[in-house]
Amino acid sequence: SQQGEEDPQALSIQEGENATMNCSYKTSINNLQWYRQNSGRGLVHLILIRSNEREKHSGRLRVTLDTSKKSSSLLITASRAADTASYFCATGLIQGAQKLVFGQGTRLTINP
Amino acid sequence: DAGVIQSPRHEVTEMGQEVTLRCKPISGHNSLFWYRQTMMRGLELLIYFNNNVPIDDSGMPEDRFSAKMPNASFSTLKIQPSEPRDSAVYFCASSWAHGYEQYFGPGTRLTVT
Repeated sequence: SQQGEEDPQALSIQEGENATMNCSYKTSINNLQWYRQNSGRGLVHLILIRSNEREKHSGRLRVTLDTSKKSSSLLITASRAADTASYFCATGLIQGAQKLVFGQGTRLTINP
Repeated sequence: DAGVIQSPRHEVTEMGQEVTLRCKPISGHNSLFWYRQTMMRGLELLIYFNNNVPIDDSGMPEDRFSAKMPNASFSTLKIQPSEPRDSAVYFCASSWAHGYEQYFGPGTRLTVT
């Protein structure tokens, strides 16, 4: 079974709107990371939030983590066409903590 | 600084042939990861190394797959013999240490006919 599951699987919004993606996981984690993948490219790290943190910001990105609910959300504010990509959450598990377990991703489309 | 380098970028081969994928991690990183990405199964971790030592190869699908890291700047993933179901994009990633972000290479798109 998947450790991290993103919701929704696909999201289409207008440029300028905010985009919110959610991630749920099953087991205890050391940290949770969000990555972006443009079509045909490798994944790019966006932000890392540790299990003792609740919220983190980076530019137009805001990530929250609720360890009691085993969930995280990624908010992209004032979306741009260039934000069109797939977004993945990845959990760093406490045991075997060096490896990350990736979800299936959310495909985000920003319409101009 | 150069990122993670993978070669070849594209590989087309016939079933039964040996395939070798190569990766050069970012200098100074001590962990290296091999992933496979398909539409059906998403992104799967195949194996990872720490300080050139394989730590977890539980994701390697079968004995046809093998990976080596002879030194800190080079790793290979070999498939012998290859099968059509091995067709996928294979990514290599490296990271500084436990709990840090991973840096991905551009991937090798493998097609086995």
